[in-house]
Amino acid sequence: AQKITQTQPGMFVQEKEAVTLDCTYDTSDPSYGLFWYKQPSSGEMIFLIYQGSYDQQNATEGRYSLNFQKARKSANLVISASQLGDSAMYFCAMRGEAGRRALTFGSGTRLQVQP
Amino acid sequence: DTGVSQDPRHKITKRGQNVTFRCDPISEHNRLYWYRQTLGQGPEFLTYFQNEAQLEKSRLLSDRFSAERPKGSFSTLEIQRTEQGDSAMYLCASSLAPPGAFFGQGTRLTVV
Repeated sequence: AQKITQTQPGMFVQEKEAVTLDCTYDTSDPSYGLFWYKQPSSGEMIFLIYQGSYDQQNATEGRYSLNFQKARKSANLVISASQLGDSAMYFCAMRGEAGRRALTFGSGTRLQVQP
Repeated sequence: DTGVSQDPRHKITKRGQNVTFRCDPISEHNRLYWYRQTLGQGPEFLTYFQNEAQLEKSRLLSDRFSAERPKGSFSTLEIQRTEQGDSAMYLCASSLAPPGAFFGQGTRLTVV
């Protein structure tokens, strides 16, 4: 079975500073994918960034980067230069075992960016 | 709007009634997913379609739940004999290929 653990229920960050949201995972599958989604108060899940288990480099998308440490089974999201609009719930997720398409989500971290 | 569309956005129903939700995926996407999200939790997978074929179902999808995607385009999720425990946000997502899926804004169901 797969499991995603997000140990930070809530985080605060000052505008323009960087913040790291933690995510650890557990799987026995040698090949897997890791995702981060943002969910603002409107409810829509917004895809942010993806990391494949065999990718050699950490994924980056604009102000988002994924700090992938395979041996530690961690996939932390780093948001640089935080903006007020970054305030939202953030979910880490993993693609299911080989052949499955389901995503397994963590319980999320609520990020609040303060001016 | 070319994103994933869900209807209705909100639904309040009495316990024991049947409800049906609709999802219109992004037009060229052949993969469609349903998830359920309860307050304070991450989404939980319910079912997955590739074109019109339902290829994967979670054990969360009890016999009161049924999903269809008759022509490989829009999808419906029906809940029969609703219970208070069915109150949740029901999210639909679509994708063309890995990796990411694009989600709609969800249907919030309240069973009273």
